[in-house]
Amino acid sequence: ILNVEQSPQSLHVQEGDSTNFTCSFPSSNFYALHWYRWETAKSPEALFVMTLNGDEKKKGRISATLNTKEGYSYLYIKGSQPEDSATYLCAFGPNTNAGKSTFGDGTTLTVKP
Amino acid sequence: NAGVTQTPKFRVLKTGQSMTLLCAQDMNHEYMYWYRQDPGMGLRLIHYSVGEGTTAKGEVPDGYNVSRLKKQNFLLGLESAAPSQTSVYFCASSYFWAGIEAFFGQGTRLTVV
Repeated sequence: ILNVEQSPQSLHVQEGDSTNFTCSFPSSNFYALHWYRWETAKSPEALFVMTLNGDEKKKGRISATLNTKEGYSYLYIKGSQPEDSATYLCAFGPNTNAGKSTFGDGTTLTVKP
Repeated sequence: NAGVTQTPKFRVLKTGQSMTLLCAQDMNHEYMYWYRQDPGMGLRLIHYSVGEGTTAKGEVPDGYNVSRLKKQNFLLGLESAAPSQTSVYFCASSYFWAGIEAFFGQGTRLTVV
């Protein structure tokens, strides 16, 4: 079983704060790293897919970076809004014969107005 | 475009009963996955399929069986339900290897009493 860890487990911030959280994954056999956003009572939705060391992706106020050599990815949210409240999942896709990813347990973000 | 559809959305079973959860996708995806989500444990992979007629075990396969007779459908079966199988079940499908940019169904909330 691959070890994919996310920290912190939960985060409470005020509206307007910027925040970031971490996904750690094995640094060997890397294929892809995905970030998903999961709102309560909904299904996870894909945010970013990153495949190359040094990749940076951005969607509005949310961005992500990737370091495959040391096995981590950061997700940043600039100027958090209450609608950003959700659980953010990362998933590690290995470069092996298995067509599956391993998910972290997620970081739950609560943005207070 | 329906995406990924799971049926049923809710179910209550008695211990020892059997049931089948259906996942249907209309995106012509090769890869399909069944996950369970328990409080504080993120998404854990039960079984997955890399194409029609194929299935493989994930992290927590015990007590479950699956079939992929048609490319668009992935069935998850519980032969003899146990209270430990009370969970929310998510199906996902992906066009890409390792579940990249997976699309998720809306979830099935199963309670075993």
